[in-house]
Amino acid sequence: DIQMTQSPSSLSASVGDRVTITCRASQSISSYLNWYQQKPGKAPKLLIYAASSLQSGVPSRFSGSGSGTDFTLTISSLQPEDFATYYCQQSYSTPSFGPGTKVDIK
Amino acid sequence: EVQLVESGGGLVQPGGSLRLSCAASGFTFSSYWMSWVRQAPGKGLEWVANIKQDGSEKYYVDSVKGRFTISRDNAKNSLYLQMNSLRAEDTAVYYCAREGRVAVAGTGIYWYFDLWGRGTLVTVSS
Repeated sequence: DIQMTQSPSSLSASVGDRVTITCRASQSISSYLNWYQQKPGKAPKLLIYAASSLQSGVPSRFSGSGSGTDFTLTISSLQPEDFATYYCQQSYSTPSFGPGTKVDIK
Repeated sequence: EVQLVESGGGLVQPGGSLRLSCAASGFTFSSYWMSWVRQAPGKGLEWVANIKQDGSEKYYVDSVKGRFTISRDNAKNSLYLQMNSLRAEDTAVYYCAREGRVAVAGTGIYWYFDLWGRGTLVTVSS
């Protein structure tokens, strides 16, 4: 099974900050990596698929990069509605998620 | 409206059974792989099972193999999860999720969970 890790596990940031979250796979997964946003009490929402493709309707301040084992999600200018938990997920084999990164207000 | 609506959750004793349902609307249900994904209270996401469009292929996470069965009824636009021999560690919100797929020439087929229901809570406790 492919294990996913994320760093940091949490971070505090201010509106307007640039935020970067890292995801690492235990083996190469090419670009089979997706990112989700989840707010408390809500279902996850797809942000990025295939490592760098922006899902329809998602603001362009979200971007993804990476391939192989190392990936990043970047929010170029954090907005109030972006405070949430972010998960990466690999779809190279039996799907697995990272443990999540909680982004809260500084 | 494109949506997924889960039902069937509740409180069940260890060793008991429960059947979850997911009603799909607003899209061609029979054209998609479908999954169940769960989230234990205060924890992360865990994929549980998925099923091919015609039900001919089904896959499960190791921890539920032999206890859970995923199925679908395309005529009713519905997805199901039969859960038997439930354990305390199965306590979670269970989400129904649609698998979107895109083919990239020369690279492969990328898939992701592009539509989620609101979830239904399953609590296994005596």
